[in-house]
Amino acid sequence: LAKTTQPISMDSYEGQEVNITCSHNNIATNDYITWYQQFPSQGPRFIIQGYKTKVTNEVASLFIPADRKSSTLSLPRVSLSDTAVYYCLVGGNTGRRALTFGSGTRLQVQP
Amino acid sequence: DAGVTQSPTHLIKTRGQQVTLRCSPKSGHDTVSWYQQALGQGPQFIFQYYEEEERQRGNFPDRFSGHQFPNYSSELNVNALLLGDSALYLCASSSFSGGGTGELFFGEGSRLTVL
Repeated sequence: LAKTTQPISMDSYEGQEVNITCSHNNIATNDYITWYQQFPSQGPRFIIQGYKTKVTNEVASLFIPADRKSSTLSLPRVSLSDTAVYYCLVGGNTGRRALTFGSGTRLQVQP
Repeated sequence: DAGVTQSPTHLIKTRGQQVTLRCSPKSGHDTVSWYQQALGQGPQFIFQYYEEEERQRGNFPDRFSGHQFPNYSSELNVNALLLGDSALYLCASSSFSGGGTGELFFGEGSRLTVL
């Protein structure tokens, strides 16, 4: 399974755009990139998934360069409620793959 | 539509005891995976069930076992509890045929404390 590397923590202020970059140098051709968000004492929640270029949904954007060795999760105009741990995962996109979580990025949003 | 439900939410056991955790998947999902999350760490894959059989297993000892019932609900059993088994146990459900994203839906977890 492809290993991912993310910053351990990030700080931001309300209203700012936050970009969290994940490195996955050994990503395989069939791998997708998926981001999950987790609040304390809750299960992770799916944010966004992509294969290449750019994906956008109602909560975030995911930017993937042509070589796919990294990806950037972009959270526009964060609020205090975006304070959480964000996990980057790579692998197949079937509902039966075993997810490999790293330690994630702990985002702290200040007022 | 109820999401993934887990029970109990919290429990305390002593070393050497056995514990059973339960999970009901999201409606329409047939696959259940279990994860262990120690404090400050990311979730670690324990095993996955579909069609009532264990299909994939992570690096966990045989003390960890499970079961899936015909209604797709699942149990996680841990025998001979160790202090290191204290963690948040997460259940995730999914559907192999249900969508291209492979999104997993997680429950709120069962917090196990071993004294």
